[in-house]
Amino acid sequence: QSALTQPPSASGSPGQSVTISCTGTSSDVGGYNYVSWYQQHPGKAPKLMIYEVSKRPSGVPDRFSGSKSGNTASLTVSGLQAEDEADYYCSSYAGSNNFVFGTGTKVTVL
Amino acid sequence: QVQLQESGPGLVKPSDTLSLTCAVSGYSISSSNWWGWIRQPPGKGLEWIGYIYYSGSTYYNPSLKSRVTMSVDTSKNQFSLKLSSVTAVDTAVYYCARLIAAYWYFDLWGRGTLVTVSS
Repeated sequence: QSALTQPPSASGSPGQSVTISCTGTSSDVGGYNYVSWYQQHPGKAPKLMIYEVSKRPSGVPDRFSGSKSGNTASLTVSGLQAEDEADYYCSSYAGSNNFVFGTGTKVTVL
Repeated sequence: QVQLQESGPGLVKPSDTLSLTCAVSGYSISSSNWWGWIRQPPGKGLEWIGYIYYSGSTYYNPSLKSRVTMSVDTSKNQFSLKLSSVTAVDTAVYYCARLIAAYWYFDLWGRGTLVTVSS
């Protein structure tokens, strides 16, 4: 299966909001409510930020929110902070016990 | 707290088999969960390799299926990855992680280990 499509980069000033898209097909993002988002700082392991499209694990700030419309999922980071600067990856169940990640988006805090 | 730790050779020769182990602490691998491997080539994105249940059931990424074998050792609370016939394109940081299969997300990750394929 092909990787989900994300914009290579996104940016915003401190306090602003940034939204990252994750586009798939009806066989993955559009077909299941099993989209998750991961944050990865340089040299570190990915960290789960959102699961099941819009749910936040314990400890993840409510500045992070997720949504989905059709074949596109989105992650919004509100009230940007310096520590939010990282790479973000979406992922989705793709049916038949398969899994797919997004291409990744580098978020820069200006 | 639950921790996952990858281990294995950092350098593998082309055409050889890459072998990694993930030791799990603070949680019994025999509890109801799946355990997965994900890799990330330098400067690139994440790629799912496969996942295994404590009973030994496995699912592999179709693009790697012919070269991947996963196993689990419940007595040592660890699971393993073997990737055969490696080439330079298999050079990557390899992560192990816990997969919440009911909802399809990886909630806990190891720190990752860099494996370089080179002669």
